[in-house]
Amino acid sequence: DIQLTQSPSFLSASVGDRVTITCRASQGISSYLAWYQQKPGKAPKLLIYAASTLQSGVPSRFSGSGSGTEFTLTISSLQPEDFATYYCQQLNSFPRTFGQGTKVEIK
Amino acid sequence: EVQLVESGGGLVKPGGSLRLSCAASGFTFSDYTMNWLRQAPGRGLEWVSSISSRSDYMYYADSVKGRFTISRDNAKSSLYLQMNSLRADDTAVYYCARDYVRFDPWGQGTLVTVSS
Repeated sequence: DIQLTQSPSFLSASVGDRVTITCRASQGISSYLAWYQQKPGKAPKLLIYAASTLQSGVPSRFSGSGSGTEFTLTISSLQPEDFATYYCQQLNSFPRTFGQGTKVEIK
Repeated sequence: EVQLVESGGGLVKPGGSLRLSCAASGFTFSDYTMNWLRQAPGRGLEWVSSISSRSDYMYYADSVKGRFTISRDNAKSSLYLQMNSLRADDTAVYYCARDYVRFDPWGQGTLVTVSS
């Protein structure tokens, strides 16, 4: 099984900050990586797929990069509505695994 | 509007069974692989099972293999998860999601609680 390790697990930041979350895969997954945002009590929402493709309707302050085993999600200027938990997911093979999540909280 | 709506969750005793349903609308259901996922209280996301568009293949997480069965009815645009021999650690919100090199959309989830 492919393991995904996100870092950090917890992040405290202020509105306007640039935020970067890293996701490392235990083996190469090409660009088969997606990023999701989840707020309490809600279903996850797709932000980025194919490592760097922004989902329609998602603000352009979100961006993704990487391929192979190392990936990043960047929020260029953190907004109040961005405080949430973020997950990466690999779709290269089964089982479809997720990172453990990164909780972004207000500083 | 592309939409998925889960139903069938509830309280069940350990060792019991439950069948979840996911009703799809707004897209050609028979064109897509579909998935079940879950999230235990306060925990992260866990993929549970996938089924191909024509039910040619099904995959399961090790944690549910032999106990859960995924199925679909393309004529009814519906996805199912039959859950048997339920355990306390199966307690979670269960989501269905469409698979197209990403999981989108997701349903709103249905809560399954396994407790005596």
